[in-house]
Amino acid sequence: KAGVTQTPRYLIKTRGQQVTLSCSPISGHRSVSWYQQTPGQGLQFLFEYFSETQRNKGNFPGRFSGRQFSNSRSEMNVSTLELGDSALYLCASPGTDLYEQYFGPGTRLTVT
Amino acid sequence: TQLLEQSPQFLSIQEGENLTVYCNSSSVFSSLQWYRQEPGEGPVLLVTVVTGGEVKKLKRLTFQFGDARKDSSLHITAAQPGDTGLYLCAGGGRTNAGKSTFGDGTTLTVKP
Repeated sequence: KAGVTQTPRYLIKTRGQQVTLSCSPISGHRSVSWYQQTPGQGLQFLFEYFSETQRNKGNFPGRFSGRQFSNSRSEMNVSTLELGDSALYLCASPGTDLYEQYFGPGTRLTVT
Repeated sequence: TQLLEQSPQFLSIQEGENLTVYCNSSSVFSSLQWYRQEPGEGPVLLVTVVTGGEVKKLKRLTFQFGDARKDSSLHITAAQPGDTGLYLCAGGGRTNAGKSTFGDGTTLTVKP
């Protein structure tokens, strides 16, 4: 089985722009979770999608949004980028335990 | 909100030494995961512990879940440079609506 894939791996954007990140979960998995990782805040939960529906949401502003398609691929969008949005954005598929996560390699977003 | 505190935050040791990393909380978790993350990559799941008092071994790594399911430890015997990385603990429970809570991590450097 292929693992979690994320594209692109690296992105550089300017403040005020918007960005869309893509994630494909492990084949056959219908759930996708997104996390933001920064040196100061660590790994923080953004949201989780299951069968195209948002099931859980973290404490992030409305500029952060996501969606999931019928083939389970997911996209995350950040509008009106701020310098503080610079981070590694990780996508994950669940494991056999409810809280296990199998992560993709991440997308490194730099906002200048 | 369930919080996980990891200690130490940074650890630098020589090859061949032993070490222990701790993950503590005042909350009870239904399960706890340990991950290892290398720079620029996503975290890789090492183990899940579920039962209070449970001990799991993965080659030179020993994981223990506290009796009360509030804390965990990771012990590495005869550390090698390949063990270098960020070690993260994460837990889930009913109070956080199905989302994993991550600790801030322990950065381990093993010098040859």
